[in-house]
Amino acid sequence: KAGVTQTPRYLIKTRGQQVTLSCSPISGHRSVSWYQQTPGQGLQFLFEYFSETQRNKGNFPGRFSGRQFSNSRSEMNVSTLELGDSALYLCASSLGDRGRAFFGQGTRLTVV
Amino acid sequence: LAKTTQPISMDSYEGQEVNITCSHNNIATNDYITWYQQFPSQGPRFIIQGYKTKVTNEVASLFIPADRKSSTLSLPRVSLSDTAVYYCLVGDDTGGFKTIFGAGTRLFVKA
Repeated sequence: KAGVTQTPRYLIKTRGQQVTLSCSPISGHRSVSWYQQTPGQGLQFLFEYFSETQRNKGNFPGRFSGRQFSNSRSEMNVSTLELGDSALYLCASSLGDRGRAFFGQGTRLTVV
Repeated sequence: LAKTTQPISMDSYEGQEVNITCSHNNIATNDYITWYQQFPSQGPRFIIQGYKTKVTNEVASLFIPADRKSSTLSLPRVSLSDTAVYYCLVGDDTGGFKTIFGAGTRLFVKA
């Protein structure tokens, strides 16, 4: 069974640009959650999608958005990038109810 | 959401048993306790989950007292490869995985 796949693994962007990250969950998982991890703030919850609907949202500005497709694949977008957006972005897939979540390897975003 | 408190770091030697305790005084009735392990530049990996008493799997044991205000992750006979950050999570994810991660415990295993 394939794990959670995140693409790309590494990305370098310039301030002011926008970026789109992709996450393919484990087959059969309908829930995808996104997290941002930085050395200073640790792992912070961005949002969670289930059956193409955003079901939960963390405390991030509107520049951070996401969507989920009918095949459960999810994308997150960050517009008007800031230096502080440099982080490891992780997605986790789960069945959508209580139980373990499976994380991908993450996308390392560097904003210069 | 329940807040958790764990030691910031712990040191151990290969072959020893390591116990990491997590405090969660305001755990709610529907909350489960879950532990994840994370290596640098990788996503967290599920270790074990429990609600009360004791849970054991092939890699760890989880001890939860009757009042559920704390829990202890026990790693038997650690090796160098167990050096990682361990997160204790408390929450009810029936509505989706949205659990708040704390700072975790950085375990360093020495030879």
